[in-house]
Amino acid sequence: GNSVTQMEGPVTLSEEAFLTINCTYTATGYPSLFWYVQYPGEGLQLLLKATKADDKGSNKGFEATYRKETTSFHLEKGSVQVSDSAVYFCALTLGYSTLTFGKGTMLLVSP
Amino acid sequence: EPEVTQTPSHQVTQMGQEVILRCVPISNHLYFYWYRQILGQKVEFLVSFYNNEISEKSEIFDDQFSVERPDGSNFTLKIRSTKLEDSAMYFCASSNQQGNTGELFFGEGSRLTVL
Repeated sequence: GNSVTQMEGPVTLSEEAFLTINCTYTATGYPSLFWYVQYPGEGLQLLLKATKADDKGSNKGFEATYRKETTSFHLEKGSVQVSDSAVYFCALTLGYSTLTFGKGTMLLVSP
Repeated sequence: EPEVTQTPSHQVTQMGQEVILRCVPISNHLYFYWYRQILGQKVEFLVSFYNNEISEKSEIFDDQFSVERPDGSNFTLKIRSTKLEDSAMYFCASSNQQGNTGELFFGEGSRLTVL
């Protein structure tokens, strides 16, 4: 079956530090890959996505590249801000299937 | 900006009681979903709903669960006889497209605690 594995959190960083949150997937075909983010007190919202191999999704300074050879979609940001503190969810979907999520990784950024 | 709203934000209930979680999806969306997240575990798909019927459901969505769109705006999840293991955060989502072409818009979640 399809699955997503994310690194365990919380990830604790100081402001302006470099962020990487690892995500790997298992799928029976070629999925589309997503990062969703949940800020405190809000619902999950789409951060970025990539629909085919070597695509790079980007938004709000975050980036992730779809790597078929390593079945990965790691989330990166060059300089995090306190306002980036949230829970980040990696997810995939195949064709018309519903989203399959990882456990989520909490990011805590201190000033 | 349109958003998905869920009520209640937190409900505490006794084991065996019925619970209804309510969601108001974005008004022009056609596809509706329920997901749940047990503390410390993955966000799990429960059910999807389109054209007034269930289009897909997971093995978690057994006979204790039901969904309904009673009045064209609300989308409800009912758990008939709650169990301890139903304690989780339940997320409603809606979309105007199906599958990997469409973004899902999620509500804030309803936390259910079964005692």
